[in-house]
Amino acid sequence: NAGVTQTPKFQVLKTGQSMTLQCAQDMNHEYMSWYRQDPGMGLRLIHYSVGAGITDQGEVPNGYNVSRSTTEDFPLRLLSAAPSQTSVYFCASSYSSAGTQETQYFGPGTRLLVL
Amino acid sequence: GDSVTQMEGPVTLSEEAFLTINCTYTATGYPSLFWYVQYPGEGLQLLLKATKADDKGSNKGFEATYRKETTSFHLEKGSVQVSDSAVYFCALVRYGQNFVFGPGTRLSVLP
Repeated sequence: NAGVTQTPKFQVLKTGQSMTLQCAQDMNHEYMSWYRQDPGMGLRLIHYSVGAGITDQGEVPNGYNVSRSTTEDFPLRLLSAAPSQTSVYFCASSYSSAGTQETQYFGPGTRLLVL
Repeated sequence: GDSVTQMEGPVTLSEEAFLTINCTYTATGYPSLFWYVQYPGEGLQLLLKATKADDKGSNKGFEATYRKETTSFHLEKGSVQVSDSAVYFCALVRYGQNFVFGPGTRLSVLP
């Protein structure tokens, strides 16, 4: 049971480039989400999904796309990278979003630097 | 909207000192409250949680009590160790909603 995995661990991009951050979980969790972590701002929700084929926007969705074709995978796409997207990105999952007692399980993070 | 406020860091303590990290929240209804910990270079992991007023969550010597009257969920530990050095996040979630995280408090414990 690998939990939540993320690739790559670290990436450097030039402004305007695109890339996909990968996230996978093997716990059969319905709910998956992407956060970005910036100094002094905690974690901010980018996009989330309550099940395969269903996605929605979080607090800071601009510049990012997601899709959820399977229960296991939830990739995050940067369409045209900007320096403001320099951050650490975390993927998380939980069994469902409907219960207030659900614990979220986090991946190890992807550190992204946009030059 | 819902929000979580944490004390400013960093917090620097000597080994075996008493730790308190303050957390207050704003939310309608009855949220569940969490403390997550992030060790260097890792993702967040659940430390403890409480789902209703007056509940006490505890784990690894850490404790926090859900105080609805003061909308607080302060984290405490009686004797910290160097291995407790990490960033601590307070968070809340309401039924059917997404998690809301505080900004995090960095703790450094010196030997």
